[in-house]
Amino acid sequence: AQKVTQAQTEISVVEKEDVTLDCVYETRDTTYYLFWYKQPPSGELVFLIRRNSFDEQNEISGRYSWNFQKSTSSFNFTITASQVVDSAVYFCALSEAGATGGFKTIFGAGTRLFVKA
Amino acid sequence: GAGVSQTPSNKVTEKGKYVELRCDPISGHTALYWYRQSLGQGPEFLIYFQGTGAADDSGLPNDRFFAVRPEGSVSTLKIQRTERGDSAVYLCASSSFDGNTEAFFGQGTRLTVV
Repeated sequence: AQKVTQAQTEISVVEKEDVTLDCVYETRDTTYYLFWYKQPPSGELVFLIRRNSFDEQNEISGRYSWNFQKSTSSFNFTITASQVVDSAVYFCALSEAGATGGFKTIFGAGTRLFVKA
Repeated sequence: GAGVSQTPSNKVTEKGKYVELRCDPISGHTALYWYRQSLGQGPEFLIYFQGTGAADDSGLPNDRFFAVRPEGSVSTLKIQRTERGDSAVYLCASSSFDGNTEAFFGQGTRLTVV
Protein backbone atom coordinates (compact mmCIF):
# COMPACT_ATOMS: atom_id res chain seq x y z
CA ALA A 1 0.00 0.00 0.00
CA GLN A 2 1.07 3.54 -0.64
CA LYS A 3 1.82 5.94 2.15
CA VAL A 4 3.53 9.31 2.37
CA THR A 5 4.53 10.82 5.69
CA GLN A 6 5.50 14.43 6.17
CA ALA A 7 6.23 14.57 9.87
CA GLN A 8 6.76 18.33 10.02
CA THR A 9 3.41 20.05 10.20
CA GLU A 10 4.78 23.60 10.30
CA ILE A 11 8.22 25.12 10.02
CA SER A 12 9.10 28.74 10.66
CA VAL A 13 12.41 30.25 9.55
CA VAL A 14 13.88 33.66 9.09
CA GLU A 15 14.69 34.84 5.60
CA LYS A 16 18.03 33.60 4.24
CA GLU A 17 18.03 30.52 6.43
CA ASP A 18 18.22 27.09 4.80
CA VAL A 19 15.34 24.74 5.49
CA THR A 20 14.77 21.04 4.79
CA LEU A 21 11.34 19.51 4.43
CA ASP A 22 11.22 15.80 5.14
CA CYS A 23 9.29 13.15 3.25
CA VAL A 24 9.20 9.43 3.97
CA TYR A 25 7.25 7.05 1.78
CA GLU A 26 6.11 3.45 1.78
CA THR A 27 5.54 1.33 -1.28
CA ARG A 28 5.76 -2.31 -2.28
CA ASP A 29 6.46 -1.52 -5.91
CA THR A 30 9.89 -1.35 -7.45
CA THR A 31 8.68 1.17 -10.01
CA TYR A 32 7.26 4.34 -8.58
CA TYR A 33 7.51 8.10 -8.86
CA LEU A 34 7.97 10.79 -6.26
CA PHE A 35 6.89 14.40 -6.52
CA TRP A 36 6.97 17.68 -4.65
CA TYR A 37 4.25 20.26 -5.11
CA LYS A 38 3.91 23.77 -3.69
CA GLN A 39 0.58 25.25 -2.66
CA PRO A 40 0.86 29.00 -2.17
CA PRO A 41 -1.86 31.00 -0.39
CA SER A 42 -3.69 31.34 -3.70
CA GLY A 43 -4.47 27.63 -3.41
CA GLU A 44 -3.40 26.18 -6.74
CA LEU A 45 -0.92 23.31 -6.50
CA VAL A 46 2.26 23.87 -8.48
CA PHE A 47 4.54 21.05 -9.61
CA LEU A 48 8.17 21.33 -8.48
CA ILE A 49 9.89 18.05 -9.28
CA ARG A 50 9.43 14.39 -10.24
CA ARG A 51 11.84 11.50 -9.64
CA ASN A 52 11.50 7.90 -10.69
CA SER A 53 12.54 5.05 -8.44
CA PHE A 54 15.50 4.12 -10.61
CA ASP A 55 17.14 7.50 -10.47
CA GLU A 56 18.65 8.30 -7.09
CA GLN A 57 20.73 11.16 -8.37
CA ASN A 58 20.16 14.27 -6.31
CA GLU A 59 18.93 17.32 -8.13
CA ILE A 60 19.48 21.02 -7.73
CA SER A 61 17.40 23.74 -9.32
CA GLY A 62 18.40 27.21 -8.25
CA ARG A 63 17.78 27.47 -4.51
CA TYR A 64 15.93 24.16 -4.45
CA SER A 65 17.54 20.76 -4.04
CA TRP A 66 16.21 17.26 -3.51
CA ASN A 67 17.82 14.29 -1.80
CA PHE A 68 16.37 10.91 -2.78
CA GLN A 69 17.54 7.93 -0.71
CA LYS A 70 15.92 4.59 -1.37
CA SER A 71 17.72 3.00 1.56
CA THR A 72 15.72 5.15 3.96
CA SER A 73 12.66 5.64 1.69
CA SER A 74 13.10 9.36 1.90
CA PHE A 75 12.80 12.20 -0.58
CA ASN A 76 13.74 15.37 1.24
CA PHE A 77 13.52 18.89 -0.13
CA THR A 78 15.89 21.70 0.83
CA ILE A 79 15.43 25.39 0.17
CA THR A 80 18.65 27.35 0.41
CA ALA A 81 18.63 31.00 1.44
CA SER A 82 14.86 31.02 1.94
CA GLN A 83 12.77 33.98 0.89
CA VAL A 84 9.40 35.29 2.04
CA VAL A 85 7.91 34.17 -1.29
CA ASP A 86 8.75 30.58 -0.37
CA SER A 87 6.03 30.70 2.29
CA ALA A 88 3.52 28.04 1.27
CA VAL A 89 2.40 24.51 2.01
CA TYR A 90 4.62 21.89 0.41
CA PHE A 91 3.35 18.44 -0.44
CA CYS A 92 5.29 15.29 -1.16
CA ALA A 93 3.49 12.73 -3.34
CA LEU A 94 3.98 9.13 -4.42
CA SER A 95 2.70 7.53 -7.60
CA GLU A 96 2.66 3.77 -8.12
CA ALA A 97 0.84 1.40 -10.42
CA GLY A 98 -2.68 0.61 -9.30
CA ALA A 99 -4.36 -2.77 -9.43
CA THR A 100 -6.22 -1.83 -12.59
CA GLY A 101 -3.19 -0.42 -14.35
CA GLY A 102 -2.15 3.16 -14.62
CA PHE A 103 -0.59 5.15 -11.85
CA LYS A 104 -2.36 6.46 -8.78
CA THR A 105 -0.85 9.39 -6.91
CA ILE A 106 -1.32 10.03 -3.21
CA PHE A 107 -0.17 13.00 -1.20
CA GLY A 108 1.30 13.55 2.22
CA ALA A 109 -0.40 15.85 4.71
CA GLY A 110 1.90 18.71 3.79
CA THR A 111 4.36 20.96 5.60
CA ARG A 112 3.46 24.61 6.06
CA LEU A 113 6.53 26.79 5.70
CA PHE A 114 6.59 30.31 7.10
CA VAL A 115 9.50 32.49 6.06
CA LYS A 116 9.73 35.68 8.08
CA ALA A 117 11.46 38.79 6.83
CA GLY B 1 -7.83 27.83 -21.91
CA ALA B 2 -4.27 26.78 -21.25
CA GLY B 3 -4.80 25.32 -17.79
CA VAL B 4 -7.20 23.08 -15.92
CA SER B 5 -10.48 24.85 -15.36
CA GLN B 6 -12.93 24.02 -12.59
CA THR B 7 -16.44 25.39 -12.22
CA PRO B 8 -17.94 26.70 -10.12
CA SER B 9 -15.15 28.15 -7.99
CA ASN B 10 -17.49 28.24 -5.02
CA LYS B 11 -20.65 26.31 -4.30
CA VAL B 12 -22.90 26.61 -1.28
CA THR B 13 -25.64 24.04 -1.01
CA GLU B 14 -28.10 22.83 1.56
CA LYS B 15 -27.73 19.50 3.26
CA GLY B 16 -29.46 16.78 1.27
CA LYS B 17 -29.15 18.51 -2.10
CA TYR B 18 -27.41 17.19 -5.22
CA VAL B 19 -24.37 18.97 -6.67
CA GLU B 20 -22.23 18.67 -9.77
CA LEU B 21 -18.68 19.91 -10.02
CA ARG B 22 -17.09 20.31 -13.41
CA CYS B 23 -13.48 19.91 -14.54
CA ASP B 24 -12.15 20.92 -17.92
CA PRO B 25 -8.63 19.43 -18.28
CA ILE B 26 -5.80 20.58 -20.46
CA SER B 27 -6.53 19.66 -24.06
CA GLY B 28 -4.99 16.33 -24.99
CA HIS B 29 -4.40 15.14 -21.44
CA THR B 30 -5.62 11.58 -21.11
CA ALA B 31 -5.32 11.21 -17.35
CA LEU B 32 -7.68 13.09 -15.03
CA TYR B 33 -7.80 13.00 -11.24
CA TRP B 34 -10.23 14.20 -8.62
CA TYR B 35 -9.01 14.97 -5.11
CA ARG B 36 -10.66 16.38 -2.03
CA GLN B 37 -8.78 18.69 0.30
CA SER B 38 -10.01 19.58 3.74
CA LEU B 39 -8.57 22.48 5.70
CA GLY B 40 -5.03 21.75 6.83
CA GLN B 41 -4.87 18.43 5.02
CA GLY B 42 -3.22 17.10 1.91
CA PRO B 43 -5.23 16.28 -1.19
CA GLU B 44 -7.14 13.04 -0.69
CA PHE B 45 -7.42 10.83 -3.77
CA LEU B 46 -10.96 10.19 -4.99
CA ILE B 47 -10.88 8.83 -8.54
CA TYR B 48 -8.63 8.59 -11.55
CA PHE B 49 -9.68 8.44 -15.22
CA GLN B 50 -7.60 7.20 -18.09
CA GLY B 51 -9.54 8.35 -21.14
CA THR B 52 -13.24 7.74 -20.60
CA GLY B 53 -12.92 4.97 -18.05
CA ALA B 54 -12.36 5.17 -14.33
CA ALA B 55 -9.05 3.35 -13.86
CA ASP B 56 -9.26 3.61 -10.08
CA ASP B 57 -12.22 4.80 -8.02
CA SER B 58 -11.05 3.37 -4.73
CA GLY B 59 -10.99 6.80 -3.09
CA LEU B 60 -14.66 7.60 -3.49
CA PRO B 61 -15.91 7.64 0.11
CA ASN B 62 -19.34 6.09 -0.52
CA ASP B 63 -22.00 5.56 -3.15
CA ARG B 64 -23.21 9.16 -2.89
CA PHE B 65 -20.14 10.13 -4.91
CA PHE B 66 -19.90 9.43 -8.61
CA ALA B 67 -17.83 10.81 -11.46
CA VAL B 68 -18.02 10.59 -15.23
CA ARG B 69 -15.89 11.52 -18.18
CA PRO B 70 -18.03 10.46 -21.16
CA GLU B 71 -15.90 11.81 -23.98
CA GLY B 72 -12.50 11.54 -22.37
CA SER B 73 -12.19 15.25 -21.79
CA VAL B 74 -14.50 17.13 -19.41
CA SER B 75 -15.31 15.35 -16.17
CA THR B 76 -18.14 15.87 -13.71
CA LEU B 77 -18.03 14.88 -10.06
CA LYS B 78 -21.53 14.27 -8.73
CA ILE B 79 -22.49 14.20 -5.08
CA GLN B 80 -25.95 13.09 -4.02
CA ARG B 81 -27.66 13.84 -0.72
CA THR B 82 -24.86 16.12 0.38
CA GLU B 83 -23.79 16.12 4.01
CA ARG B 84 -21.98 18.78 6.03
CA GLY B 85 -18.94 16.51 6.10
CA ASP B 86 -18.66 16.81 2.33
CA SER B 87 -17.59 20.43 2.71
CA ALA B 88 -14.07 20.75 1.30
CA VAL B 89 -12.15 22.00 -1.71
CA TYR B 90 -12.48 19.59 -4.61
CA LEU B 91 -9.41 19.60 -6.83
CA CYS B 92 -9.10 18.32 -10.35
CA ALA B 93 -5.80 17.56 -12.07
CA SER B 94 -4.81 16.30 -15.47
CA SER B 95 -1.62 14.88 -16.89
CA SER B 96 -0.45 14.09 -20.37
CA PHE B 97 -0.34 10.38 -19.97
CA ASP B 98 -0.43 8.82 -16.59
CA GLY B 99 0.18 9.38 -12.90
CA ASN B 100 3.88 9.12 -13.43
CA THR B 101 3.99 12.46 -15.19
CA GLU B 102 3.57 15.98 -13.90
CA ALA B 103 -0.02 16.78 -12.97
CA PHE B 104 -1.53 20.18 -13.57
CA PHE B 105 -4.10 21.27 -11.02
CA GLY B 106 -7.11 23.49 -11.30
CA GLN B 107 -7.89 26.16 -8.75
CA GLY B 108 -10.48 23.93 -7.11
CA THR B 109 -14.15 24.18 -6.22
CA ARG B 110 -14.88 25.12 -2.63
CA LEU B 111 -18.01 23.23 -1.62
CA THR B 112 -19.85 24.30 1.51
CA VAL B 113 -22.80 22.27 2.71
CA VAL B 114 -24.98 24.15 5.17
